[in-house]
Amino acid sequence: KQEVTQIPAALSVPEGENLVLNCSFTDSAIYNLQWFRQDPGKGLTSLLLIQSSQREQTSGRLNASLDKSSGRSTLYIAASQPGDSATYLCAGISGNTPLVFGKGTRLSVIA
Amino acid sequence: KAGVTQTPRYLIKTRGQQVTLSCSPISGHRSVSWYQQTPGQGLQFLFEYFSETQRNKGNFPGRFSGRQFSNSRSEMNVSTLELGDSALYLCASSMTNNEQFFGPGTRLTVL
Repeated sequence: KQEVTQIPAALSVPEGENLVLNCSFTDSAIYNLQWFRQDPGKGLTSLLLIQSSQREQTSGRLNASLDKSSGRSTLYIAASQPGDSATYLCAGISGNTPLVFGKGTRLSVIA
Repeated sequence: KAGVTQTPRYLIKTRGQQVTLSCSPISGHRSVSWYQQTPGQGLQFLFEYFSETQRNKGNFPGRFSGRQFSNSRSEMNVSTLELGDSALYLCASSMTNNEQFFGPGTRLTVL
């Protein structure tokens, strides 16, 4: 059974700092790993999808990597901005199973 | 292309009542999944429908049910509401096991 853990649970950084969010999973037979952003009371916005054959994906200031052998994924945010403040969630799919989510990292970027 | 839509956005019900929530997926997406999000439990999978068939089911009581129509729209129903059913209910659509796209959610409050 897939379990996903995100560390840290909360993070506060000054504007402009580069930061890394961590996600670990127990089942290395992961099919896809997806990173989401959630603003308070809102739905989830898909940021990046990494398929099992890929090692990383980039979108703007975001870069996500996937290391199946170590069961880890990281989301790198460059030059953070106050608008990046949100909860970041990672989720994995193994086989024909639904997404399994971590508890998320709540990010605050201070101006 | 229109995103995932969910109706209604907010609902207030009393214990013992039943409720029906609706989700319209992105055009062309045949998979619809439902999740419950609470502060204590995080995001928990309810069920997934693909081409009108339930493909996966989470660990929720039988009071929670769903269905999918031929146009891929989906509904979920909760009968005999309990206070603990208060949550944000999120719907996601995808082509198959690819990138999941979430709607804005329905905020259900049970009094």
